[in-house]
Amino acid sequence: AQKVTQAQTEISVVEKEDVTLDCVYETRDTTYYLFWYKQPPSGELVFLIRRNSFDEQNEISGRYSWNFQKSTSSFNFTITASQVVDSAVYFCALSEARYSNYQLIWGAGTKLIIKP
Amino acid sequence: AAGVIQSPRHLIKEKRETATLKCYPIPRHDTVYWYQQGPGQDPQFLISFYEKMQSDKGSIPDRFSAQQFSDYHSELNMSSLELGDSALYFCASTLRSGWSPLHFGNGTRLTVT
Repeated sequence: AQKVTQAQTEISVVEKEDVTLDCVYETRDTTYYLFWYKQPPSGELVFLIRRNSFDEQNEISGRYSWNFQKSTSSFNFTITASQVVDSAVYFCALSEARYSNYQLIWGAGTKLIIKP
Repeated sequence: AAGVIQSPRHLIKEKRETATLKCYPIPRHDTVYWYQQGPGQDPQFLISFYEKMQSDKGSIPDRFSAQQFSDYHSELNMSSLELGDSALYFCASTLRSGWSPLHFGNGTRLTVT
C-alpha cells in the first residue's frame, strides 16, 4: 500500500540553523512522483518541488535542498540558514503514475517553528 | 502569474444549512481537484474533474456534490452541514498532460456552528 511518513511532528530551531525534514514513502510502483508543499500560518498550500522516481539527482533552490534516495525510500528536505518566514507546516506527498490523476498520498506534515 | 482563486475565503454556516464553494482554476488548466483539510490534519482528496467531467471520487460524503462548468470553474455544494464539516477546503488545478504540479488556491475556511 502507498504511504508517506513524516515522523517529525514538530521541529523547533533558532534562526540561521540548518534543519532537515524527513519523508519516507512506500509504494509498489516503479514510476511515481514525490512532492513537498509548504503551508504557512495563513493556510494556503504552496508547491515547492516535484521529483519523479527516475530522477535521483539532488536539487537545490536557494536555501532549500532535497535529497532523494530510492534505496531508503526517502525524500528529505533541508533548509539552510533558516529564517522566521520559513515557519510553516511542510507536507511531503506521493503520487503514483498508474493513477491518471492526482490522488496524492499525503504525509501528516511537519510543523517547523523558527525562533528569532 | 494568475493563480487558483477560491471564494469565499471564509464562510460561517449553521448546522443543516447549505454552502457553495467556488473555484476558478489557472487559465488553460483542464483538471480541478477538491481537498478537505480538517484542523491539524493533512488534506484529504474529495473529488476531481477533467474537462468538465468527474474523473475520480475520494472520501466525499453523499451530502456533497460538485461540478465543473463550461468555463472550467468548479463549485462544491455542501448540504445538511454538520459540525464535522468545519475545515479548510482547497481547490487545486493542473494541466493533466505532462504531470505538471498541482497549484492550490488559498482555500475556503468553513466553520459550521
